[in-house]
Amino acid sequence: EPEVTQTPSHQVTQMGQEVILRCVPISNHLYFYWYRQILGQKVEFLVSFYNNEISEKSEIFDDQFSVERPDGSNFTLKIRSTKLEDSAMYFCASSERGRNIQYFGAGTRLSVL
Amino acid sequence: AQSVAQPEDQVNVAEGNPLTVKCTYSVSGNPYLFWYVQYPNRGLQFLLKYITGDNLVKGSYGFEAEFNKSQTSFHLKKPSALVSDSALYFCAVRDMLYGGSQGNLIFGKGTKLSVKP
Repeated sequence: EPEVTQTPSHQVTQMGQEVILRCVPISNHLYFYWYRQILGQKVEFLVSFYNNEISEKSEIFDDQFSVERPDGSNFTLKIRSTKLEDSAMYFCASSERGRNIQYFGAGTRLSVL
Repeated sequence: AQSVAQPEDQVNVAEGNPLTVKCTYSVSGNPYLFWYVQYPNRGLQFLLKYITGDNLVKGSYGFEAEFNKSQTSFHLKKPSALVSDSALYFCAVRDMLYGGSQGNLIFGKGTKLSVKP
C-alpha cells in the first residue's frame, strides 16, 4: 500500500540552526500538508501546498518557515533559525484531491537544544 | 471559531467489551468529520469519515462512528474491543473557513484508548 514517508525520524539541532524536514508524498497525490504536534498538545495545521505554491498557512507558519517541492517526489519543510519552541513532531500529509482523505507520514521528531 | 473537542484524555476498556471514544465539534455549515488513529512511533492512520449520507459510518478495523447533528457529536465506537486497539485516537474536522478546496484539518487533542486483557 502506498504511504507517505518522512526523513529523518528524529532530528536534533541547536537553537538558531536551520533544519530541513523531508517528505515523500504518495505519488499520484496533488495536495500536500505539514502539521505539527508539540508534546502533549493538539496536532496543528501549518501549511498546505498545491500546484507548486502555498494554498493556505496558519499563523504558526511565519517567516522562519518555508516549503518547497524541489522535484517531482519530495516535499520539504525548512525552518531557517530554530527556536526551542519549535521542538515538536512534524507530520507530512498528502491527498489525491483537496477534499479527499489525507494520508500521514510517521512524523519527524524535532528536538531543538 | 471551528473546533473539535475530545472530552476524555483516556478511555479504559476490558477486551471484548464495547468501546466509545467521544468527539464533539463546532463548525460553520455542514461538517466533514474524520477519525484517525496513532500507534506508537507511527503516523496518523485514517479510520473513517463522514461527509454526507447515513449517520452511521463504518471504517477500518471494525470501527464505526455515529454522526449526530443535534448533539454536534461524532463518537467513535466498536462493539468488541481488542488489546491491539490500544492507541491514541484523534477526531478531526475539515476547516471550512480557510480550507476551501485544500481542506486542512482541525484536530482534537486526542484520546488514549487502553484495552486490557
